[in-house]
Amino acid sequence: NAGVMQNPRHLVRRRGQEARLRCSPMKGHSHVYWYRQLPEEGLKFMVYLQKENIIDESGMPKERFSAEFPKEGPSILRIQQVVRGDSAAYFCASSKARAGGGGDTEAFFGQGTRLTVV
Amino acid sequence: AQSVTQLDSHVSVSEGTPVLLRCNYSSSYSPSLFWYVQHPNKGLQLLLKYTSAATLVKGINGFEAEFKKSETSFHLTKPSAHMSDAAEYFCVVSDKKTSYDKVIFGPGTSLSVIP
Repeated sequence: NAGVMQNPRHLVRRRGQEARLRCSPMKGHSHVYWYRQLPEEGLKFMVYLQKENIIDESGMPKERFSAEFPKEGPSILRIQQVVRGDSAAYFCASSKARAGGGGDTEAFFGQGTRLTVV
Repeated sequence: AQSVTQLDSHVSVSEGTPVLLRCNYSSSYSPSLFWYVQHPNKGLQLLLKYTSAATLVKGINGFEAEFKKSETSFHLTKPSAHMSDAAEYFCVVSDKKTSYDKVIFGPGTSLSVIP
């Protein structure tokens, strides 16, 4: 069973371009979480999705950022018109049930996508 | 509201000496607590977790943590540091009784191991 797969591992974009980060959860997992790790800072929650639904996007910037988790295919984190401040590592995690409670709630993380905006 | 405090942004120990990484949390209800490790250019790996069973939790690579409700702490320890332990460590809290679960990460502690 492959783990959480994120691609690309490294992404370079010029200011103003769009960045698309993909996350394929582990098999059987329907809960996906996106986190951003800025240089010298910890991980910050961005968004929590289930299939076809955004459950909590309270950590997402109000503009330029969006996320989806379609019925088929990976979850996508999309950043439009990137700026230098978007340079960070973006991590995706998945779990079988809502992360943090009992049962199959352990969240498994991908290796992250490192976005560099030049 | 939940929050996590990792008291040290950086800890440096000599190889073979004990490791102590401190974590304090705030949670309205019974929390689940986790420690994750992140090696350079690698993804996050779960070290151990507390979910209201035994208060002393043993994890991988010789790490363990003790849940102390009275002190709202969940410090990570290891008796003898190894060079391969050098990494970033994140303490994480999640509240089981919120309407949806959101995993809250601490700011991280960078562990250096000196030969």
